Amino acid sequence: EPEVTQTPSHQVTQMGQEVILRCVPISNHLYFYWYRQILGQKVEFLVSFYNNEISEKSEIFDDQFSVERPDGSNFTLKIRSTKLEDSAMYFCASSEFRTGGNQPQHFGDGTRLSIL
Amino acid sequence: AQTVTQSQPEMSVQEAETVTLSCTYDTSESDYYLFWYKQPPSRQMILVIRQEAYKQQNATENRFSVNFQKAAKSFSLKISDSQLGDAAMYFCAYKDNAGNMLTFGGGTRLMVKP
Repeated sequence: EPEVTQTPSHQVTQMGQEVILRCVPISNHLYFYWYRQILGQKVEFLVSFYNNEISEKSEIFDDQFSVERPDGSNFTLKIRSTKLEDSAMYFCASSEFRTGGNQPQHFGDGTRLSIL
Repeated sequence: AQTVTQSQPEMSVQEAETVTLSCTYDTSESDYYLFWYKQPPSRQMILVIRQEAYKQQNATENRFSVNFQKAAKSFSLKISDSQLGDAAMYFCAYKDNAGNMLTFGGGTRLMVKP
């Protein structure tokens, strides 16, 4: 069964550095998402992306975050200048159709981001 | 804003027995969707079951079923004939009809005893 894949599985970065988290969504999917989970807290929505633009974003997704689909297969989340509080598990997800319905979002294994 | 609450941080069940995981949510919307996701240790979240709010009939997927009480804003998951492979973190999630965002509960860790 096709899967969403995320790399790296663990990223350690110095505070203030830029980091790029990578995701390869399922190939025929059109909608892409990023979520994060700070240790001990709920999974939180960051952003959704469709047709090469952001379709929805949360308050967490401020100017230090950006997303991009640089080619036909990858979907990236960039954090421009990392802070200690950005340490979390970041999940990428994708779905086949417009999620105005019950289309399930398929999740990757996550990237654990540790900011030192 | 919508919120989802899972009041049981941990549950345990004997193999072959039945267990029910609780979820409540708060919304002012009438049209929305509810999901249960399972996350085994160090693995990705996978969809277990989903329910459309406009459907009165409770969703069922093999050993997994839900008890959807719209008026009470409750969406519990029942796992029958529990198996060792059911041990995982279970997340309840809400999505309204217009948006893309899933709102998650805090999760319930299910342990299955042999």
